[in-house]
Amino acid sequence: GEDVEQSLFLSVREGDSSVINCTYTDSSSTYLYWYKQEPGAGLQLLTYIFSNMDMKQDQRLTVLLNKKDKHLSLRIADTQTGDSAIYFCAESSPGRGSTLGRLYFGRGTQLTVWP
Amino acid sequence: GAVVSQHPSWVICKSGTSVKIECRSLDFQATTMFWYRQFPKQSLMLMATSNEGSKATYEQGVEKDKFLINHASLTLSTLTVTSAHPEDSSFYICSGRELGPVNQPQHFGDGTRLSIL
Repeated sequence: GEDVEQSLFLSVREGDSSVINCTYTDSSSTYLYWYKQEPGAGLQLLTYIFSNMDMKQDQRLTVLLNKKDKHLSLRIADTQTGDSAIYFCAESSPGRGSTLGRLYFGRGTQLTVWP
Repeated sequence: GAVVSQHPSWVICKSGTSVKIECRSLDFQATTMFWYRQFPKQSLMLMATSNEGSKATYEQGVEKDKFLINHASLTLSTLTVTSAHPEDSSFYICSGRELGPVNQPQHFGDGTRLSIL
């Protein structure tokens, strides 16, 4: 694992860009993920990035990874009110046996989008 | 694709009863399933990891006799909270992961809100 840190709150106006930041401590992390959780629901996988990549873009989402600083960010362009949710950063390490594929989550960032 | 169905979505029951939660992978084979517990405004706490056909591996501090996990097929895992008490009230979420490269992500169910009176 194992320590994954995120800021807890972010507020933006509709149409602006949102940037959610995450730091992690495990230098052996292989994959880093962003999940979205709406109230009362499970987690929806948004995107993920392999640790040897610097950037990944998927429509309105851009993930930036600074492996040296162990810093991951998620940028949402043209943020909409429907983007209001909790965003979780998670990392996985190689592990073995039953720990293979285990995720370590941050506490989540509550994104509020104002109209 | 990669849909996980979790049932029931909400359970209210009396203290002392046992509650079973089902987690099904609908369009993929989940060789590994994970069970999490989430407290309000908190992150997910991993309770246990189960591989199909094997006994579950529980995280430290999680009572395996209290939280029974069965993963008898590649598409179904169940969590039974035995003799539930009010302190077991929580949001329980399962996820499934396909066998494959290490980057196979986990796909989550919609969670079960358990309220013990």
